[in-house]
Amino acid sequence: EAQVTQNPRYLITVTGKKLTVTCSQNMNHEYMSWYRQDPGLGLRQIYYSMNVEVTDKGDVPEGYKVSRKEKRNFPLILESPSPNQTSLYFCASSLAPMRSYTDTQYFGPGTRLTVL
Amino acid sequence: EDQVTQSPEALRLQEGESSSLNCSYTVSGLRGLFWYRQDPGKGPEFLFTLYSAGEEKEKERLKATLTKKESFLHITAPKPEDSATYLCAVQADLDMRFGAGTRLTVKP
Repeated sequence: EAQVTQNPRYLITVTGKKLTVTCSQNMNHEYMSWYRQDPGLGLRQIYYSMNVEVTDKGDVPEGYKVSRKEKRNFPLILESPSPNQTSLYFCASSLAPMRSYTDTQYFGPGTRLTVL
Repeated sequence: EDQVTQSPEALRLQEGESSSLNCSYTVSGLRGLFWYRQDPGKGPEFLFTLYSAGEEKEKERLKATLTKKESFLHITAPKPEDSATYLCAVQADLDMRFGAGTRLTVKP
């Protein structure tokens, strides 16, 4: 089954304790992206990646890191989480958003993160 | 700055009562406008992509339209299972910008 998976689905942690949220897709998609969703603000893009070893900042990258060492995986890293990073996080992927056309993004099930 | 605004924030309809959701945008060089449906506790699910003004797409009771400044998602004779949050997003370059969504409730 074609899908985007995220782990963990739920995470409660404390300020300053490094954490990683994994994201994996089995569709051979080139483009992957991370979003956070907060009430009243909608989905905001954190980072995106056009392909292996190619990443770029979205609208709200501060406090986050990403890496793209393999095509299928795109982990989100919080080196020193803070309470304002409490949110619902989504990973998404699409085939290849080339400059000449757009492409549909497929979303994972979400990771609910609470930073105390 | 690119902006996407959805209205209303929330909409309550009776089953069978048709209505429209609005997505207005200001973006330079629109490459595509997307509509998604999101159920509570789940990731957004793709509905439509519109590329140019005048384009329309339909799926069951939903119809999406696009002008140069806004898009509408028309819901005809909705059913309770259409209750969800509907998200609009625009892509200008390689990044995607979402609206805050419209939470639709359809009462039987």
